[in-house]
Amino acid sequence: ETGVTQTPRHLVMGMTNKKSLKCEQHLGHNAMYWYKQSAKKPLELMFVYNFKEQTENNSVPSRFSPECPNSSHLFLHLHTLQPEDSALYLCASSQDQGSGYNSPLHFGNGTRLTVT
Amino acid sequence: RKEVEQDPGPFNVPEGATVAFNCTYSNSASQSFFWYRQDCRKEPKLLMSVYSSGNEDGRFTAQLNRASQYISLLIRDSKLSDSATYLCVVRPGGGNKLTFGTGTQLKVEL
Repeated sequence: ETGVTQTPRHLVMGMTNKKSLKCEQHLGHNAMYWYKQSAKKPLELMFVYNFKEQTENNSVPSRFSPECPNSSHLFLHLHTLQPEDSALYLCASSQDQGSGYNSPLHFGNGTRLTVT
Repeated sequence: RKEVEQDPGPFNVPEGATVAFNCTYSNSASQSFFWYRQDCRKEPKLLMSVYSSGNEDGRFTAQLNRASQYISLLIRDSKLSDSATYLCVVRPGGGNKLTFGTGTQLKVEL
């Protein structure tokens, strides 16, 4: 029932692999986000895109590379990850707050990533 | 001081009980406030926005106290299905960034 879909749901990758996470939103929103959720920690904002432009990079290591080709699609390209990068990666979307909205986030189901 | 702080719990309560959670935030210029619910191994889902005058949605009541910089969530007549982690979310200022608390775990028991 979610208007935000993420694939894959689960991903196991080695430290030398390259993989990509995909997110698509069907809500007509113009802001998209990547969050990381590790055990016992709050959600950590990674990246924000607003009208396809990156507006926030929360000091994320370069082994995580986001791509936003349009307002409906968001990717997270992964390469040479570390075991501590294992976590739940959540995509979200919202209306742009600059439009005067008090808009909450709508999350996808997440990708549970394990780095071996 | 953390930007958003919550008591992690767990709060174990019997079915039918009333339970309240508080959340404090550090940035006095914070503009928007939300409560999310997250079930085990699932994504967070919006429970309710928190408005300045306080608001209610069925058994759930949210309050904002700007002077003391906290928000609260009250759940009346707890159901087993209310068992989840409740996340406090704050927008510290302008822009699209939202900050999440670590969450408060609620367990409703028979």
